[in-house]
Amino acid sequence: DGGITQSPKYLFRKEGQNVTLSCEQNLNHDAMYWYRQDPGQGLRLIYYSQIVNDFQKGDIAEGYSVSREKKESFPLTVTSAQKNPTAFYLCASTNGYFTGELFFGEGSRLTVL
Amino acid sequence: AQKVTQAQTEISVVEKEDVTLDCVYETRDTTYYLFWYKQPPSGELVFLIRRNSFDEQNEISGRYSWNFQKSTSSFNFTITASQVVDSAVYFCALSEASGGGADGLTFGKGTHLIIQP
Repeated sequence: DGGITQSPKYLFRKEGQNVTLSCEQNLNHDAMYWYRQDPGQGLRLIYYSQIVNDFQKGDIAEGYSVSREKKESFPLTVTSAQKNPTAFYLCASTNGYFTGELFFGEGSRLTVL
Repeated sequence: AQKVTQAQTEISVVEKEDVTLDCVYETRDTTYYLFWYKQPPSGELVFLIRRNSFDEQNEISGRYSWNFQKSTSSFNFTITASQVVDSAVYFCALSEASGGGADGLTFGKGTHLIIQP
């Protein structure tokens, strides 16, 4: 079945460590997105990519990095520079840009100990 | 700047009651899309509806209905005869034509709907 797969679902890390969240899609979508969700804050855009080898910062990109080497993959690295990384991270994709719906993965919950 | 406001942080109703979730948006564009998503406890956001700015016709899908009013910049969502399975966080979102919308959707903060048996 087509969809978006995020892994791991739960992740714990110690302060000062980098961690990479995986996002893979088999929907053949051009655009992919990373959102961060905090309680009562809705979804905030971290990074997005419209095509392979190109990506743009969203509203809260500081402390995060991404790569887009393949159309189907858009991993997110949470670096030690991110001051408050504990959150729920959602990956999404679309082919419709402003007209199309976003398809979401099941999310990754990162907890910094 | 575009903005989406969901003033209701949490709503709790008893099963079979009707409930309306409010969404107010701000945009300078004349061409835009509005969306509603449902986020069940599993975490994945599920698409419910998309509406473009030129179509103010209300829509009904089973127990769900949406009321789009440009005059008040609102896109409200009503669940009729609510069920426990409707319990979730619901997000309203906006996408503008300017810039091509390539930076995704702007989401409201969500409304946590609790349906009590």
